[in-house]
Amino acid sequence: GESVGLHLPTLSVQEGDNSIINCAYSNSASDYFIWYKQESGKGPQFIIDIRSNMDKRQGQRVTVLLNKTVKHLSLQIAATQPGDSAVYFCAEKKSPGNQFYFGTGTSLTVIP
Amino acid sequence: GAVVSQHPSWVICKSGTSVKIECRSLDFQATTMFWYRQFPKQSLMLMATSNEGSKATYEQGVEKDKFLINHASLTLSTLTVTSAHPEDSSFYICSAASRGGLYEQYFGPGTRLTVT
Repeated sequence: GESVGLHLPTLSVQEGDNSIINCAYSNSASDYFIWYKQESGKGPQFIIDIRSNMDKRQGQRVTVLLNKTVKHLSLQIAATQPGDSAVYFCAEKKSPGNQFYFGTGTSLTVIP
Repeated sequence: GAVVSQHPSWVICKSGTSVKIECRSLDFQATTMFWYRQFPKQSLMLMATSNEGSKATYEQGVEKDKFLINHASLTLSTLTVTSAHPEDSSFYICSAASRGGLYEQYFGPGTRLTVT
């Protein structure tokens, strides 16, 4: 595989605040990225994606930023809610294949 | 739409036995399925890519004789953990990519395997 995480960073935010979750990806040839949310004991859920020819994409309450120069992705969650508490992973796809490789992940806890 | 199921959701087996996990796409045809494993508080690690009607492609370091993958139809892929050992205990997750879908993958709910 590509990036393999051995430790899970944590982030705690107050309800209503904005959250920023960061991800460093490993391969400069990666051309497509997805952010996933995973709740305990469940499979990952798609949040938002971005192609390498873009540097920003917005969804509902979420924004993904891509900096290819430093191989960095971020996920911004506006007005974080308790239901946002989960582990967030970025995943990268290296062209030309269709396999995705997951980053370390960040555990987000929203404090009511 | 785009629902992927896994069966069983959890399984406990004795060391040395084999366990089969099923991954089904319920409402779409999946030409490609992927198998991941996840240890507690760790990331998902891609194990193999399964294409319907052909042999699976395994990631480096994954033993193909230990983790047998069969993608017999466009809606079903199976992962068999052979001669399971306690270190195989993990959360196994599959995902499915639809025919015609670009890079979207739909994830199953995962299977918790415990080997005693």
